Amino acid sequence: DQQVKQNSPSLSVQEGRISILNCDYTNSMFDYFLWYKKYPAEGPTFLISISSIKDKNEDGRFTVFLNKSAKHLSLHIVPSQPGDSAVYFCAAHTGTASKLTFGTGTRLQVTL
Amino acid sequence: DAGITQSPRHKVTETGTPVTLRCHQTENHRYMYWYRQDPGHGLRLIHYSYGVKDTDKGEVSDGYSVSRSKTEDFLLTLESATSSQTSVYFCAISESWTQQETQYFGPGTRLLVL
Repeated sequence: DQQVKQNSPSLSVQEGRISILNCDYTNSMFDYFLWYKKYPAEGPTFLISISSIKDKNEDGRFTVFLNKSAKHLSLHIVPSQPGDSAVYFCAAHTGTASKLTFGTGTRLQVTL
Repeated sequence: DAGITQSPRHKVTETGTPVTLRCHQTENHRYMYWYRQDPGHGLRLIHYSYGVKDTDKGEVSDGYSVSRSKTEDFLLTLESATSSQTSVYFCAISESWTQQETQYFGPGTRLLVL
């Protein structure tokens, strides 16, 4: 049972445009959400996070939006750059355990 | 970058043979984790450790064992490798388990079981 879902396996966006990556979750006990970015042959690296008590968190070109009622979060990248081409994983955390539950990932390609 | 190394980085082995993957950290973080990454599944937690000699199972622990005799080292052992264990294995560390504490990942080990 996939508790964190990323339904789009891939996304292609032109340089300078907005990239929107989506993530849905089913477990209402999740109270903290993170986005990780992964380049080929490297480990994932932390990108941005959001607590369930917020609905938005911004860090430079990256903004994460959380809609708790819909159990949905999204990552916006504006403007998109070729260096943003990577696989993006959504992850969720509950307050009672030290474990992260990851989505299946979305491969973003930013074209020139 | 967090000081996390994994060894070996690549390994080819045969079905039925034992395999041990090593994760070494220089950050003195208490928590260490082993994940596997497979197409269509993302990253799945195999085992994790919350201190020396303290370990617990993740969601896909069958066929795997772990040991942590020192803070800096976390070993993942496949007692008898199977083809279904062909995967990319990532080690991660974190200082604590609070929501605000992100996990830092190693570079990964690509394992092929023939």
